Amino acid sequence: RKEVEQDPGPFNVPEGATVAFNCTYSNSASQSFFWYRQDCRKEPKLLMSVYSSGNEDGRFTAQLNRASQYISLLIRDSKLSDSATYLCVVNNNDMRFGAGTRLTVKP
Amino acid sequence: NAGVTQTPKFQVLKTGQSMTLQCAQDMNHNSMYWYRQDPGMGLRLIYYSASEGTTDKGEVPNGYNVSRLNKREFSLRLESAAPSQTSVYFCASSGLRRQEQYFGPGTRLTVT
Repeated sequence: RKEVEQDPGPFNVPEGATVAFNCTYSNSASQSFFWYRQDCRKEPKLLMSVYSSGNEDGRFTAQLNRASQYISLLIRDSKLSDSATYLCVVNNNDMRFGAGTRLTVKP
Repeated sequence: NAGVTQTPKFQVLKTGQSMTLQCAQDMNHNSMYWYRQDPGMGLRLIYYSASEGTTDKGEVPNGYNVSRLNKREFSLRLESAAPSQTSVYFCASSGLRRQEQYFGPGTRLTVT
């Protein structure tokens, strides 16, 4: 079983839609959690950290459920520019990356 | 600031050839990392360096060596390339908040 699992998608949504991704992790001792964004053939970039209490950054909301060992990312009012692959990252001494969920936002 | 730079951007090697991937950062970060990214898999850590003068193995170190030349530069060497090393290689660095990693643009390596 992979340490970090994500639905690879693709998720195809219209502009303005709300879309949510989940990610599960296997190591219950994991300490911190992140979402990174990766555009096609580019490097990953930090999108946001995920805090126990949940956190919001504009149209993006991240939540953590330690009991069920999953984190989620919600994107509201999707823009064309949100099209990318979203990587779930779990830190337990080492950073462990999920394979990513691909999102395409269409006009 | 250029951030994290990597050279070369693309490389094709024949099995058994050697090469060194170069990485440099200008953010005064202590920690640097080498990852590989393969289709359908997450980035996997090859080696990292928590500070100048130290290096440690990551998840997939076999077939690779690294050198932390100074605080800015961290190179990755393939001594005898194999087709299984065909991948995209990313270098990253992080400062005091070690989990916030900044990545270079990547090197696309093909071994035939």
